[in-house]
Amino acid sequence: AQSVTQLGSHVSVSEGALVLLRCNYSSSVPPYLFWYVQYPNQGLQLLLKYTSAATLVKGINGFEAEFKKSETSFHLTKPSAHMSDAAEYFCAVRPNFGNEKLTFGTGTRLTIIP
Amino acid sequence: DADVTQTPRNRITKTGKRIMLECSQTKGHDRMYWYRQDPGLGLQLIYYSFDVKDINKGEISDGYSVSRQAQAKFSLSLESAIPNQTALYFCATSASGVQREGNTGELFFGEGSRLTVL
Repeated sequence: AQSVTQLGSHVSVSEGALVLLRCNYSSSVPPYLFWYVQYPNQGLQLLLKYTSAATLVKGINGFEAEFKKSETSFHLTKPSAHMSDAAEYFCAVRPNFGNEKLTFGTGTRLTIIP
Repeated sequence: DADVTQTPRNRITKTGKRIMLECSQTKGHDRMYWYRQDPGLGLQLIYYSFDVKDINKGEISDGYSVSRQAQAKFSLSLESAIPNQTALYFCATSASGVQREGNTGELFFGEGSRLTVL
């Protein structure tokens, strides 16, 4: 079984400040991990994914995430927030084999303060 | 053109009406999914299909049905809509064969269909 917990349903940061969105996962087998972003009135699009090749993963729009097995975490960061980063962010997990489907967290809505 | 297209994008209907949401994809993926999104609940899987002859229930299939008309088409029906089915619905696709050819099973989403049941 697998699950994802996103700590904080709403996060607000000032423009130019560090963005940190938290994701902790539970998986009985080695996982693939994903971050998706949903802009207003749009579908979800992939920001980045962890596939065991490297623990620090770089994605689009300056985001990155670090896989920490010991902490079962995959937190999303961006050094300097931009107004265009305002969106909802979803973390997801699945086993790295087989037909299991992605399991999503409940999402974190990021607000950028001018 | 979008790789995963959903129609309609917005629909308002009345309780008891039959509604169909359609999804078509040009990604050539075998697998297709229908999700429902409600504020604070994230994404909940309604139905999924791994190929044309394969249909499976997800977490919240009650009150919904699906049809996989072709590899590229997967439609979701609400036989008798009720107000608590008001939500944003997403279709998604993925390639089969995780770990082969670098596939990670990631999902590709349509832009969503917003359904309001009065």
